[in-house]
Amino acid sequence: KQEVTQIPAALSVPEGENLVLNCSFTDSAIYNLQWFRQDPGKGLTSLLLIQSSQREQTSGRLNASLDKSSGRSTLYIAASQPGDSATYLCAVRPGNTGKLIFGQGTTLQVKP
Amino acid sequence: DAGVTQSPTHLIKTRGQQVTLRCSPKSGHDTVSWYQQALGQGPQFIFQYYEEEERQRGNFPDRFSGHQFPNYSSELNVNALLLGDSALYLCASSAWSNQPQHFGDGTRLSIL
Repeated sequence: KQEVTQIPAALSVPEGENLVLNCSFTDSAIYNLQWFRQDPGKGLTSLLLIQSSQREQTSGRLNASLDKSSGRSTLYIAASQPGDSATYLCAVRPGNTGKLIFGQGTTLQVKP
Repeated sequence: DAGVTQSPTHLIKTRGQQVTLRCSPKSGHDTVSWYQQALGQGPQFIFQYYEEEERQRGNFPDRFSGHQFPNYSSELNVNALLLGDSALYLCASSAWSNQPQHFGDGTRLSIL
């Protein structure tokens, strides 16, 4: 059974810091992995999607890596800003199925 | 181009009642998935609809049922509501099941 874990559960950093969010999964047979952002009481916004054959994806200040063999992904946020404060969720798509399996998320607070 | 829209945004029900939540997919999308997100948790997959049929189902009881209409919109029905059904219900749409899913802002369901 695929399980997704995110560490840490919460993180507070001063503005301007570079930070790394971690995601691990138990079954390497994934179709892709996706990082989402969720603001309080809102839906999910897709940040980056990494296909199983890829090692990393970049968008602006965000960089996500994928190591399928070790069951790990990281989301790197450069030069953090208060507007980055949100919950970040990692989700894997098992095999060629349509469902996503989510971690519990990391809640990030960036202090001005 | 409207994204995924869900209605209503908030709903309050009492135990034992029945509820129907609605979702209109993003233009061009034909697959709709539903997720339940309890407070402080990651979303859990309920089921996915394509071509008006349930294609995949997560670990949810039969009290949870759905429907997809010819215009690809979808409904989630929950019968015999329990206190534990209180959650944010998220709808996601995609162009076929293995494409990236786009999420709506959800319906917040509270059971008294």
